[in-house]
Amino acid sequence: EPEVTQTPSHQVTQMGQEVILRCVPISNHLYFYWYRQILGQKVEFLVSFYNNEISEKSEIFDDQFSVERPDGSNFTLKIRSTKLEDSAMYFCASKVAGGEQFFGPGTRLTVL
Amino acid sequence: AQSVTQPDIHITVSEGASLELRCNYSYGATPYLFWYVQSPGQGLQLLLKYFSGDTLVQGIKGFEAEFKRSQSSFNLRKPSVHWSDAAEYFCAVSRSGGSYIPTFGRGTSLIVHP
Repeated sequence: EPEVTQTPSHQVTQMGQEVILRCVPISNHLYFYWYRQILGQKVEFLVSFYNNEISEKSEIFDDQFSVERPDGSNFTLKIRSTKLEDSAMYFCASKVAGGEQFFGPGTRLTVL
Repeated sequence: AQSVTQPDIHITVSEGASLELRCNYSYGATPYLFWYVQSPGQGLQLLLKYFSGDTLVQGIKGFEAEFKRSQSSFNLRKPSVHWSDAAEYFCAVSRSGGSYIPTFGRGTSLIVHP
């Protein structure tokens, strides 16, 4: 069964460093999403992406965040200058039009 | 804006017992409602969803949920829990139509005793 994959499973970085989280959505999906879950808190929407542009974003998704689909398979989330409060689990999801979202297993980001 | 409340942070049941996980939502119109399950190290898996029609929704793994508009609830049920059901369960709501990006509740952690 096709699935969304994410790498790395765990990323540790120093405050102020840039990180790139990678996702490979399901191959025929056209809608892509990033969510985050701070430990013990809700899963929060960050951004949605369709047709090579951001279609919707939340207040959390400020100028330090960016997304990109650099090729036909990857979908990345970049955090330019990480802060301690960026420590969270980051989930990627993808879907087809009108379909349900399929989530990846997540990347745990730890900012020291 | 929509919101979701899952009042129980942890639920402990014995294997074979019945289960009900509570979910209340706040939304001005008829919402789309979802239940997701997250096993350790796994992503979120959709158990079931309600868009319209029959208010009792059947999902995967023997789960069902009932939409009660008068109570703004969408509780998840299973008649007999298996040890493999131990996981985190998330209720979510989205606006009907459009991109339906879900707003999630905090989750309920299900512990199953043998």
